[in-house]
Amino acid sequence: EVQLVQSGAEVKKPGESLRISCKGSGYRFTNYWISWVRQMPGKGLEWMGRIDPSDSSINYNPSFQGHVTISTDKSISTAYLQWGSLKASDTAIYYCARHNVDIAMPGWGQGTLVTVSS
Amino acid sequence: QSVLTQPPSASGTPGQRVTISCSGSSSNIGINTVNWYQQLPGTAPKLLFYTNNQRPSGVPDRFSGSKSGTSASLAISGLQSEDEGDYYCAAWDESLNGLVFGGGTKLTVL
Repeated sequence: EVQLVQSGAEVKKPGESLRISCKGSGYRFTNYWISWVRQMPGKGLEWMGRIDPSDSSINYNPSFQGHVTISTDKSISTAYLQWGSLKASDTAIYYCARHNVDIAMPGWGQGTLVTVSS
Repeated sequence: QSVLTQPPSASGTPGQRVTISCSGSSSNIGINTVNWYQQLPGTAPKLLFYTNNQRPSGVPDRFSGSKSGTSASLAISGLQSEDEGDYYCAAWDESLNGLVFGGGTKLTVL
């Protein structure tokens, strides 16, 4: 069974750093892209960027580039989303999702709630 | 402002048929396939359609997808209360070199 399991909820202060994770299982991790998707409270889905675990090539949504870093550790089948300096506006649920070859995302993690508040 | 345009809301009574539109452009829907996602309250999104009109296993055939030119649509027939939730279209955009979502449509079953 294909699964993506994300790390748990986080509560941080503005300016702090954070890395959340997404561990894939039940499939060959390096065969499929992983994307990160943001959902702010009461709002829609926003694509943040994707990584190809086989070569670590990345596309970022320009709206997020420079503020977040996407990476993987293929030795442990895990993707990461990282912030160097959080803002209150980063408060959201973050989902990782696995792509098929046709860009569709049939597998999603359960989501990680990140709360940034002073 | 989302790159793909969806109506913010749709509604119907049980048993009715509803459609949700998704309008894009020549750089996304016009040249790439459309996927649809269903997000029920408090849950992660779920793939409803890939490649415009292909249903993953487990998706009832009450749901149908289509694409024409730079637009796509999702139709739900025999509406049920458990269909209530948010629906999103998505496509790869060649100009942005990234995935774009519609703003989402909140479906209410009256």
